Amino acid sequence: GQGVEQPAKLMSVEGTFARVNCTYSTSGFNGLSWYQQREGQAPVFLSYVVLDGLKDSGHFSTFLSRSNGYSYLLLTELQIKDSASYLCAVRDRRGSALGRLHFGAGTQLIVIP
Amino acid sequence: GGIITQTPKFLIGQEGQKLTLKCQQNFNHDTMYWYRQDSGKGLRLIYYSITENDLQKGDLSEGYDASREKKSSFSLTVTSAQKNEMAVFLCASSRGSERLFFGHGTKLSVL
Repeated sequence: GQGVEQPAKLMSVEGTFARVNCTYSTSGFNGLSWYQQREGQAPVFLSYVVLDGLKDSGHFSTFLSRSNGYSYLLLTELQIKDSASYLCAVRDRRGSALGRLHFGAGTQLIVIP
Repeated sequence: GGIITQTPKFLIGQEGQKLTLKCQQNFNHDTMYWYRQDSGKGLRLIYYSITENDLQKGDLSEGYDASREKKSSFSLTVTSAQKNEMAVFLCASSRGSERLFFGHGTKLSVL
């Protein structure tokens, strides 16, 4: 079946880094996105990857391995305001259609002083 | 920039009641979506629409109706609210497949 899995919680220290993992199993693959969602607010787009490797976007970097069905979001130089839920979303491929977006349950990142 | 506006922000209903949630976007995006977010679960797609008057069922469409009256608006109806139901309904829009823009959500509570 279609599945996107993420750890429920992650805790890291301010000034260090945090790696949020995502594993997926979908019918084909047509891209993976990461969103940040603060409590009571809308999810906000962070990154989109479709090719293997590391995509460096400064404070956020994204890694993808399609053969392993695995991605991670890396946050460096953590700040307290990075505390939020991080959602992984995978788009499958259905024939020639755009495909459906499947979301994980999100990882709650807590940054401590 | 654009904005997605969902109304109401909070919705309290009675068991069996029909409830309607509204969403407006001024991005001029073609595709709009309705997701349901429950605590501890991923966002689940209820309905989406790729253009005005188009309607596509998602994974959770049973118990819901939707309507894309015009390009900028997409409404969702809970056909019969379930007792003790509590969830957040998120509306989103996109131009392509890479990036969705979300509204702040409607929090539903059913007494």
